[in-house]
Amino acid sequence: EIVMTQSPATLSVSPGERATLSCRASQSVSSNLAWYQQKPGQAPRLLIYGASTRATGIPARFSGSGSGTEFTLTISSLQSEDFAVYYCQQYNNWPPWTFGQGTKLEIK
Amino acid sequence: QVQLVESGGGVVQPGGSLRLSCAASGFTFSSYGMHWVRQAPGKGLEWVAFIRYDGSNKYYADSVKGRFTISRDNSKNTLYLQMNSLRAEDTAVYYCAKVHLAVAGTTAFDIWGQGTMVTVSS
Repeated sequence: EIVMTQSPATLSVSPGERATLSCRASQSVSSNLAWYQQKPGQAPRLLIYGASTRATGIPARFSGSGSGTEFTLTISSLQSEDFAVYYCQQYNNWPPWTFGQGTKLEIK
Repeated sequence: QVQLVESGGGVVQPGGSLRLSCAASGFTFSSYGMHWVRQAPGKGLEWVAFIRYDGSNKYYADSVKGRFTISRDNSKNTLYLQMNSLRAEDTAVYYCAKVHLAVAGTTAFDIWGQGTMVTVSS
């Protein structure tokens, strides 16, 4: 089973600033990596797939990068609606499909 | 629009059973694999089960193997999760999710339902 590790667990950033979230896989997942955003009481929403491709309707301030075992989600200029929990997920080696433990992005 | 709506959650005693449903609309349900994912209160996301578009293959997390059964009725555009021998640790919000690309399992989950809560407690 591939273990996904996200860091940091909590990230405090001011609105308008840049946020950088990290995700590491225990073995290579190629570019088969997705990022999801989840707000309280809501279902997860797909942001990024293929490590760097934005899903339909996702603003350009969200960008993903990386391949193999190291991945990054960058939010270029934080808006109030971006404060949420973010999960990475690998879909290269399955089953199981595995998620990171999440990074909570909070307002500084 | 593309939509998934779960139902069937509730409170059940340990050892009991429950069947969840996920009604799909707005896309060709019979062309896409489907997943169940759960989230325990205050915790992260845990993949539970996957079924291919035609029901030919099914996969389960070790934590539910032998107790849960995923199935689908493409004529009714509905996904199911039969949960037997429920345990306290199965308490979670259960989400159904659609695969992004109709290429088996090597694809992200692009559409999620709103979730249905399952509580296992005496």
